Amino acid sequence: AQKITQTQPGMFVQEKEAVTLDCTYDTSDQSYGLFWYKQPSSGEMIFLIYQGSYDEQNATEGRYSLNFQKARKSANLVISASQLGDSAMYFCAMREDEPGNTPLVFGKGTRLSVIA
Amino acid sequence: DSGVTQTPKHLITATGQRVTLRCSPRSGDLSVYWYQQSLDQGLQFLIQYYNGEERAKGNILERFSAQQFPDLHSELNLSSLELGDSALYFCASSVEGRRDEQYFGPGTRLTVT
Repeated sequence: AQKITQTQPGMFVQEKEAVTLDCTYDTSDQSYGLFWYKQPSSGEMIFLIYQGSYDEQNATEGRYSLNFQKARKSANLVISASQLGDSAMYFCAMREDEPGNTPLVFGKGTRLSVIA
Repeated sequence: DSGVTQTPKHLITATGQRVTLRCSPRSGDLSVYWYQQSLDQGLQFLIQYYNGEERAKGNILERFSAQQFPDLHSELNLSSLELGDSALYFCASSVEGRRDEQYFGPGTRLTVT
């Protein structure tokens, strides 16, 4: 069974600073995908970034990058140059790469607060 | 805008009642997933449909059921509602073969009083 652990219930970061949100996972699958989603106070789930287990390079999307360490089973999200609008809940998720798309398993999330 | 639509946005109903939540996936997406987000359980997968067929089942109660129609929209039916069913219900969709995508709708917030 897959499991996602996010050990930081809440984080604070100063505006314009970088912040790392931790995510560790557990799976017996060899092929899987890792996702990060942002959930602002309005409630919607916004897809941020994806990392495949066989991708050799860490994924990057604008100010978001994923620090993927396969041996440690960690997939930390790095947000550079934090903005006030980054204040939200952040969820790490994974799915196995079965034929046909599979559901996501989510962690409990980290609430990020950006301070001016 | 993810392209996934859900209606209604909010729903308030009483215990024992039955409600239907509706989801339209992104154009071209054949897979539809339903998730429940509650304070105590977090985000949990309920059920997945692919091109009209049930593909995977998660922690879905027997009081809940879903279906996907020929036009690919999906409905989640919740019956004999209890206070604990109050939650945010998300629909998500993805296209076959794209492992890196799963886009969420805005959610339906259900309040059971």
